[in-house]
Amino acid sequence: NAGVTQTPKFQVLKTGQSMTLQCAQDMNHEYMSWYRQDPGMGLRLIHYSVGAGITDQGEVPNGYNVSRSTTEDFPLRLLSAAPSQTSVYFCASSRQHRGPGLVTEAFFGQGTRLTVV
Amino acid sequence: QQQVKQSPQSLIVQKGGISIINCAYENTAFDYFPWYQQFPGKGPALLIAIRPDVSEKKEGRFTISFNKSAKQFSLHIMDSQPGDSATYFCAASHTTSGTYKYIFGTGTRLKVLA
Repeated sequence: NAGVTQTPKFQVLKTGQSMTLQCAQDMNHEYMSWYRQDPGMGLRLIHYSVGAGITDQGEVPNGYNVSRSTTEDFPLRLLSAAPSQTSVYFCASSRQHRGPGLVTEAFFGQGTRLTVV
Repeated sequence: QQQVKQSPQSLIVQKGGISIINCAYENTAFDYFPWYQQFPGKGPALLIAIRPDVSEKKEGRFTISFNKSAKQFSLHIMDSQPGDSATYFCAASHTTSGTYKYIFGTGTRLKVLA
């Protein structure tokens, strides 16, 4: 019962490097999202997807790209890492609502701690 | 209008005491209000949630109180235990918008002293 799996758990990048944070879920959830968590700022939405082939921007999308080619995977790409992107990144998934009043919980991965030097 | 304001930032409670965390929102379209609990090194996990058609929801020692007119909701942890020490996030969502986005508060770090 894996749930939401994020890799890697830790990563150190040099400024200007690119990398991809992986996220996979085995619950057949339609909705997936990426958040970053910074001290005193809570969880801020970066990008989200309501299904394969559909993505949209969240609150803080600059410097990040996403794609959703399958229901299971939702990778987050850092194009050119900057020190301001030092953060803990969380991927989450949930089942699509079936109508007003019907909600399902968001399941979070264990996070990726990224440091950009 | 999308903000969810959470207070306090940190909270220290004696074992057996009541922990209270407050949140306020601005967007009246929000219709789902979950609380998430996060332990160090782990991802957030759903603790309890409420919809605005009820004023209170209780699950064990955890209670959400909801005041629709004031646009406020709070989490009460009764008989707080050291195992409750964690960071708590309130959130809000507009479930009928079709976007399934959550707006999170800034978090409250709770420490329960033994």
